[in-house]
Amino acid sequence: DAGVIQSPRHEVTEMGQEVTLRCKPISGHDYLFWYRQTMMRGLELLIYFNNNVPIDDSGMPEDRFSAKMPNASFSTLKIQPSEPRDSAVYFCASSPGLAGERTYNEQFFGPGTRLTVL
Amino acid sequence: GENVEQHPSTLSVQEGDSAVIKCTYSDSASNYFPWYKQELGKRPQLIIDIRSNVGEKKDQRIAVTLNKTAKHFSLHITETQPEDSAVYFCAASITGYSTLTFGKGTMLLVSP
Repeated sequence: DAGVIQSPRHEVTEMGQEVTLRCKPISGHDYLFWYRQTMMRGLELLIYFNNNVPIDDSGMPEDRFSAKMPNASFSTLKIQPSEPRDSAVYFCASSPGLAGERTYNEQFFGPGTRLTVL
Repeated sequence: GENVEQHPSTLSVQEGDSAVIKCTYSDSASNYFPWYKQELGKRPQLIIDIRSNVGEKKDQRIAVTLNKTAKHFSLHITETQPEDSAVYFCAASITGYSTLTFGKGTMLLVSP
């Protein structure tokens, strides 16, 4: 398996523009997580999905952020309109889920998207 | 909800020395404690984890200890090497829940 795939790897945009980040989880994983990483705040969980359904979006900073998972192999995180304070590295991670004796979840991270909003 | 505190935020050691990173958690129900290593510009990757039914786990030069009574766990790296330089994150989770609560990270610098 190629692991979690994210695109683009780098994004530079101007304030006010719409930004769409994409993620393909590991095949067969039931959980998908979106994180934001900054020096000041560390790794923040923004939202996560279970079987394509959003479970907890309490970490989404404001209404400018939205996330979707239309199918098991694709998710997007959209920022509209973008602001300079959104500049960060955004990670997508997936996890196989809780089943049977597997009650502990290792999360597998993608390479991240470095977003710069000017 | 769970809160994970991690110390120190930065740690500088000489090659060959040992390094210890400590984390505390708040929710006594937490029972899974992974450690992730993130090299500069790379993704976080799991390096070791411990369940609440054991007090210590070792994997070559790294070990993790857990004190459930005190609600703290630690990462120990012996005979450090320059390639150990990275940011290390601890995390905590509860069985049956899929999310991890991460600490703020420790930047470890190993000087040759």
